[in-house]
Amino acid sequence: GAGVSQSPSNKVTEKGKDVELRCDPISGHTALYWYRQSLGQGLEFLIYFQGNSAPDKSGLPSDRFSAERTGESVSTLTIQRTQQEDSAVYLCASTRGTRGYNEQFFGPGTRLTVL
Amino acid sequence: DQQVKQNSPSLSVQEGRISILNCDYTNSMFDYFLWYKKYPAEGPTFLISISSIKDKNEDGRFTVFLNKSAKHLSLHIVPSQPGDSAVYFCAASGRSGGSNYKLTFGKGTLLTVNP
Repeated sequence: GAGVSQSPSNKVTEKGKDVELRCDPISGHTALYWYRQSLGQGLEFLIYFQGNSAPDKSGLPSDRFSAERTGESVSTLTIQRTQQEDSAVYLCASTRGTRGYNEQFFGPGTRLTVL
Repeated sequence: DQQVKQNSPSLSVQEGRISILNCDYTNSMFDYFLWYKKYPAEGPTFLISISSIKDKNEDGRFTVFLNKSAKHLSLHIVPSQPGDSAVYFCAASGRSGGSNYKLTFGKGTLLTVNP
């Protein structure tokens, strides 16, 4: 399909381990976003990419979180030394442009469980 | 401090009746508002949006109303159908202030439409 895809769909890890979450945006979409949804909460903005650059990383909760994007396409969100409070659904979205009023297309998310 | 609030965690309506989902915001810099619908195990999908220059936007069975003075918006679904049962998220962005790419989400309202 032509939508946003994310992998893995589910990830269970032990506290202290590193995890990598992958996002494949819609082809040609220049902007890419990562959000997370903790239990009972709304979607929380993490980071925004325009092309391969990340002009806004303000939502990353700690320096254990990092993300990169290559080829103006795939993005990887890495969480080092995972903690139980990192358990959440991590969602990726992409848009053609950079304005908020461009509809953001979301992937199905990666459910991360840290034991 | 939540800038976008959906005070009703859940709503139950009968098929064929009107569903009204409410959303309040506090940030006066927001000038574009969106509603997303989310089924379990799927990413949110865009439903309808409204710019602050309008007070109403209609798309089929879905109408969004914006009351800027009250910083309140609502989504009306008429007539409601069982397939509308999902979590509905209100989201907002600001075209000014440099944050016109970032969406701020509410916590969502679970709508259940009973046959």
